[in-house]
Amino acid sequence: DIQMTQSPSSLSASVGDRVTITCRASRTTGTYLNWYQQKPGKAPKVLIFAASSLQSGVPSRFSGSGSGTDFTLTISSLQPEDSATYFCQQTSSSPPTFGQGTKVVIK
Amino acid sequence: QVQLEQSGAEVKKPGASVKVSCKASGFTFTDYYMHWVRQAPGQGREWMGWINLHSGDTFIVQSFQGRVTMTRDTSISTAYLELRSLRSDDTAFYYCARDQTNIRGNWWDPWGQGTLVTVSS
Repeated sequence: DIQMTQSPSSLSASVGDRVTITCRASRTTGTYLNWYQQKPGKAPKVLIFAASSLQSGVPSRFSGSGSGTDFTLTISSLQPEDSATYFCQQTSSSPPTFGQGTKVVIK
Repeated sequence: QVQLEQSGAEVKKPGASVKVSCKASGFTFTDYYMHWVRQAPGQGREWMGWINLHSGDTFIVQSFQGRVTMTRDTSISTAYLELRSLRSDDTAFYYCARDQTNIRGNWWDPWGQGTLVTVSS
């Protein structure tokens, strides 16, 4: 199985800050890497698919980059509504596997 | 609106069974695959398998084989996950998620809101 290592596990940042979350795969996933946002009690929501494609309706302050084993989710200007847990997922090979998640807290 | 609505929380005793439902709306149900994944408290997300909503074919992860059944009722656009011989370590949130695939990749969208299954004597 491909192991996904996500960092940091949590972060605290101010409104307007640039936030970066990373995900590293134990072996290459090409660009089969997705990023999700989950708020407490809510369904996870896809933000970025195929490493860098912005899902329709997702604000443009979210972006994804990377390929192979190293990937990044960036929030260019953190907003209060971005307080959530973010996690990555690889779908390059079965079983699909997930990062442990990053909890983003607004200062 | 494309969405998945899951059934409510369940409390079960060890050895019992639970059946979680996932009702789809806003899309053609039989055009997709559905995944099931769970997350136990303080643990990572664990993929359980998928069901082809058209044919009913399933793939169940080996660690769940013999205890898990995935089914669907196309007449009411609902997928089901049944887990038998429940143990305390089956306590978790269970999620359904629709598979999305195109030439650029494969992702899951939407997800259900999750169903908490608590196994306790």
